[in-house]
Amino acid sequence: RKEVEQDPGPFNVPEGATVAFNCTYSNSASQSFFWYRQDCRKEPKLLMSVYSSGNEDGRFTAQLNRASQYISLLIRDSKLSDSATYLCGLKYDAGGTSYGKLTFGQGTILTVHP
Amino acid sequence: DGGITQSPKYLFRKEGQNVTLSCEQNLNHDAMYWYRQDPGQGLRLIYYSQIVNDFQKGDIAEGYSVSREKKESFPLTVTSAQKNPTAFYLCASSGTLYNEQFFGPGTRLTVL
Repeated sequence: RKEVEQDPGPFNVPEGATVAFNCTYSNSASQSFFWYRQDCRKEPKLLMSVYSSGNEDGRFTAQLNRASQYISLLIRDSKLSDSATYLCGLKYDAGGTSYGKLTFGQGTILTVHP
Repeated sequence: DGGITQSPKYLFRKEGQNVTLSCEQNLNHDAMYWYRQDPGQGLRLIYYSQIVNDFQKGDIAEGYSVSREKKESFPLTVTSAQKNPTAFYLCASSGTLYNEQFFGPGTRLTVL
């Protein structure tokens, strides 16, 4: 089983729709979680960190479910400009050889159409 | 402006040649990283450095080398030993290993 798995999609949604992505992870020692957005042929940009209590930034909501070992990203009122690939990343904050290493999923492609 | 710069943006290499990719940051970050991304794939960690004069292998270090002589700079050399070097190379930095990582614009390497 991969350390981090995402549904690659693509997710095709109309403007104004609500869409959610999940990202599952296999190592329960994972401590920090992130969502990045990557536009075509560009670098990933940090969208938001994911906190244990969940967090929201405008139309974006991130949740962490440690019991089921997944994180989620919810996008409300989708805009055309939300079209991108969304990467989840997790980091091990404990000691050992994986300390500080950020592992990414393969990304979920979102296309928002008019 | 503070940020991470990578050069060149595009690089073409003949088989058997070593090439060095530049990464510079002026964010005063201690930690720096190199990733490789192949089409339709996530990012894979090549090397990372927690502090000056120290670096660690990531998941796919074979065929690559790095140095960290200055806090601001973390160059990556793709050697001829790397069997399939054509990819998008991304450099990142973070305040410490604990913090969020921020990425440079990347270098697209093509081996002819």
